[in-house]
Amino acid sequence: GQQLNQSPQSMFIQEGEDVSMNCTSSSIFNTWLWYKQDPGEGPVLLIALYKAGELTSNGRLTAQFGITRKDSFLNISASIPSDVGIYFCAGPLRFGNEKLTFGTGTRLTIIP
Amino acid sequence: DTAVSQTPKYLVTQMGNDKSIKCEQNLGHDTMYWYKQDSKKFLKIMFSYNNKELIINETVPNRFSPKSPDKAHLNLHINSLELGDSAVYFCASSQRSDRGYGYTFGSGTRLTVV
Repeated sequence: GQQLNQSPQSMFIQEGEDVSMNCTSSSIFNTWLWYKQDPGEGPVLLIALYKAGELTSNGRLTAQFGITRKDSFLNISASIPSDVGIYFCAGPLRFGNEKLTFGTGTRLTIIP
Repeated sequence: DTAVSQTPKYLVTQMGNDKSIKCEQNLGHDTMYWYKQDSKKFLKIMFSYNNKELIINETVPNRFSPKSPDKAHLNLHINSLELGDSAVYFCASSQRSDRGYGYTFGSGTRLTVV
């Protein structure tokens, strides 16, 4: 089935560093979503993108909807300990939100 | 007030047993889902219900049977549990007309089959 590939698979950074991750697909998406999953919890929506080229921020997080509509990027500036977790991209495979497909995830670890 | 609540949080059971996981949402959403997260953290949709009607069934063994008594509840019953069923199961809800696809997830049920 359709898979969204995220890169990198994991990241080890120091507090205060900026983070960049991306998500790519072989299919076009009309919506891109970024979720974060804390340990022992369910994913929580961070940012939603609806238009090719769109750049949206949520505090220190900035996400972009790729021009080709086959990719998206998430940046985190000045990372803090609570940024630790798994970041997932996601998108609906067809109009209507019946089926949200999730990416393979990027695990972020902050080294003390 | 928890928006999407699942019970139990942890479930340890022997192979061959039958078990159920319950999910309730108080967001007034009309669509609910079950997702399975494997050991590699990959999230895969299993079922989707809209207003109590099954709309997605993603090649899930028929040992798994979802039931939606009303649009605020979606339970998952699993018969004859197998070792490979061990995973974290997430319930989620959304409003079908919501362009934002704002799925709200529960905190998960970690199922361990021994």
